[in-house]
Order: sequence, then structure tokens, then C-alpha cells
Amino acid sequence: NAGVTQTPKFRILKIGQSMTLQCAQDMNHNYMYWYRQDPGMGLKLIYYSVGAGITDKGEVPNGYNVSRSTTEDFPLRLELAAPSQTSVYFCASSIPPRPYEQYFGPGTRLTVT
Amino acid sequence: DAKTTQPTSMDCAEGRAANLPCNHSTISGNEYVYWYRQIHSQGPQYIIHGLKNNETNEMASLIITEDRKSSTLILPHATLRDTAVYYCIVRVAGGGSQGNLIFGKGTKLSVKP
Repeated sequence: NAGVTQTPKFRILKIGQSMTLQCAQDMNHNYMYWYRQDPGMGLKLIYYSVGAGITDKGEVPNGYNVSRSTTEDFPLRLELAAPSQTSVYFCASSIPPRPYEQYFGPGTRLTVT
Repeated sequence: DAKTTQPTSMDCAEGRAANLPCNHSTISGNEYVYWYRQIHSQGPQYIIHGLKNNETNEMASLIITEDRKSSTLILPHATLRDTAVYYCIVRVAGGGSQGNLIFGKGTKLSVKP
């Protein structure tokens, strides 16, 4: 199993551009999550999904959108990128009844200038 | 959700036991204690969790005090590869939980040769 994969690893965006961060898992996990981590800080939840077609906001959803059309994929869309979105983005997955035992991807480092 | 308090940083000699404390004095009866770690530039990794009994797995041991107000993560024989930020997280588990982890700043453990 590849586990949780994320692409791209690095990206530089100009202010106002848009992009999609890709996340995929091959463990047949129902639950998937997007977190962001600013320098020296802990992770903050952006969005999560408990299954295909079901998504919900986390702590810091503004400026982001998600969709979940399949069990495997959970892309994160940034519209009109701002410098405040410069961060490292982590995708994770888990399975009930153990939702807090999450498997994380390697992260995408995004810089908005 | 219970708030956790961890030391900012700790050092440990290679081969010795690393004991990482966490205070969660406001924990309620249905909240579990989870531990994660994050090695530099990588995604977080689940280590262990517990409710009130001590727990052990291949990575670590978790000791929870009888009043459940604090816990200690023990890495029995620390290696240089255990250098990481360790996060103590308290969450309600069980039916309906959707796994939104809340990360603080954690403890930066440095294992020294």
C-alpha cells in the first residue's frame, strides 16, 4: 500500500492564482482530512469528509473548498490565493471506529507571493 | 474538549528512556489521551492512545495517572530517529466521533548521542 499520497510536494503561487492540492489514499478509509501547519505551530483542521459526497468545515475553512466524489480522493481547492495561505498542507485518513488514529501524507509546501 | 499542557522542549540521551509528560487536568470521563509525533518536515505519526489503563505497543508506553489528570509517554530506549515534536491530544472517542484532531505546539524532544 502506498498509504496517503499528496501532490505536488512544493508549489509557489502568485497572489490571486488558484490551485488544487491532490490527496489520495489506498487503504479504503472512509474518513479524510485536510490540515494546515504554519511555521512553529501545530496543525489546524481545514475540512474533513466522512465518506464520498459528505464534507464538513473544520477550524479554518475560509479560502478553501473541497469535494469528495470517491472514497480514495479528497482534493483541496484554493481560490484566489493570499499570502496568509502560505503553509504546509497535510492530508490524512482514518477509519471508524478509530477516527483519531490517522495516517498522514508527506505534505505539500505552498508559498504564496 | 480538555486542554493539554506540555513542556516546550526536552533532551534525552540516546539509549535512555524518554519520558514526555502531559497535563490534562480538565479531562472528562469519556475523553481519551492520544499521542502523535512529527519528525521534521514529515506528516504526523500516530503513536498510542489510552483511556485510563496503561497501554503499551511496539513504539511506546502510555502511563495515565489514576485521577487521569496527567499522562506520560515513555520511549523506552530513545534513538536519534526519535527526535521529533510530540503532541498530546485529548478527544472524545466513540460513536459519532469524526476524528477532528486538535494539535497544540507539542514538546520538541531532542535525542543526543
